[in-house]
Parts: sequence; C-alpha cells; structure tokens
Amino acid sequence: GAVVSQHPSWVICKSGTSVKIECRSLDFQATTMFWYRQFPKQSLMLMATSNEGSKATYEQGVEKDKFLINHASLTLSTLTVTSAHPEDSSFYICSARGAEPSNEKLFFGSGTQLSVL
Amino acid sequence: GENVEQHPSTLSVQEGDSAVIKCTYSDSASNYFPWYKQELGKGPQLIIDIRSNVGEKKDQRIAVTLNKTAKHFSLHITETQPEDSAVYFCAAKPFGNEKLTFGTGTRLTIIP
Repeated sequence: GAVVSQHPSWVICKSGTSVKIECRSLDFQATTMFWYRQFPKQSLMLMATSNEGSKATYEQGVEKDKFLINHASLTLSTLTVTSAHPEDSSFYICSARGAEPSNEKLFFGSGTQLSVL
Repeated sequence: GENVEQHPSTLSVQEGDSAVIKCTYSDSASNYFPWYKQELGKGPQLIIDIRSNVGEKKDQRIAVTLNKTAKHFSLHITETQPEDSAVYFCAAKPFGNEKLTFGTGTRLTIIP
C-alpha cells in the first residue's frame, strides 16, 4: 500500500506554544488529506479536510484559528496547533488519498502524540 | 449523514479460532467499506476493503462480507494469531462524499 509519513511521532510542549505536525505522502500524490484527532480508547474524529492549493474545510466545532492547516503541495500537509493548552493533548493522525478520482483508499500516517504541559 | 455502528466493542478469541466483527451503516448511498487495524500508538492500517458491487472479498486469513439489503458488513479473521490482537475499525463512504465515517472500534485480543 501507499506510504504516508507523519512527524514527529510524539511531542511535549509548554502551554502557550505552537506545535507543527507534518504529513507527507511518500510514493503518491495526494490531492486530499485529512486530519483526525483520537482520544484514548475512542474512534477517529475528523477535524478537517485539506485540498492542495485551497483552504481547508473544518468540521463543526473545530477552531480553524487554533488548528492551522496548510496543504501547499501534492505531497505535504501540515497541522499547526497554535497556543496549545493541556486540553489539546491528544493523538493526531493524518491520512491521504491519491489523486485519481477513482481512488477511494485512504492511507494513514503513524500519528503524533501531543502532550501539552 | 452516515452513521456506522460496530459490534462488539471487545472480543477475546482463543488462538487458532475465528473472529467476526460486524458493522451496520445507515446511508444506502454508501458504496465503499474499508476495514482498518490499529495497533497501540500507531495509525490505522488498511487491511481490506469492499465496494458495493461485490458481496464478498477475501485476502488470505481475512475476509469481508457485505449485505446491501440489510446494510451491514462483517470482517472475518480465520486461524487467529497473537499478532492479530489490535483495535479494528470499520468505515463507510457514500458515493460522491470524500469523507469516511468510522465505527467505534473493536478491541480484539487473541489468547495464546
């Protein structure tokens, strides 16, 4: 299957600082990438959908000014958690879908565990 | 919107036995149904998927069945092994919608 690389795998930061998470599709071009948040023992919660070259579409209840998403190329999307607070601590996962319209398979990165002190 | 229910939430199976996880969906327009395996601290891994024009798909020890009339689909794992222990998520995607809706997950434990 296609490979999606996500970095860092874990990060600890102080309250009030910003953290950037990168998501790269290594062997395919991804016109659409998705960002999820997952709490312990729960399912994946979609935060936003990002399309290359356009603004991200955020799910209801997700603050776009807090979770900045940039999808500047067909292989890279970034999620920046701005002014992080302890309640932002969570497991963040990106996923990517190929450029072909018929390609429905969604491949996930390895996730980033964010801990805000 | 689409709603996916998944059962059971936990499942313990003796090594070598079969495991079955079931999901139901609400949107009859859904036509793509993937299954993901998630190990602790890692992202979900696509293990098998099925489209609505197919009733069953098999890949070695893993199979998925789809009943469009009843709007449910199931994951079958045969000859289970300890490395099959993980959380499994089903998902559904309506035609024309780019978002997947995930089930609540099943924690599968294989007992040696």
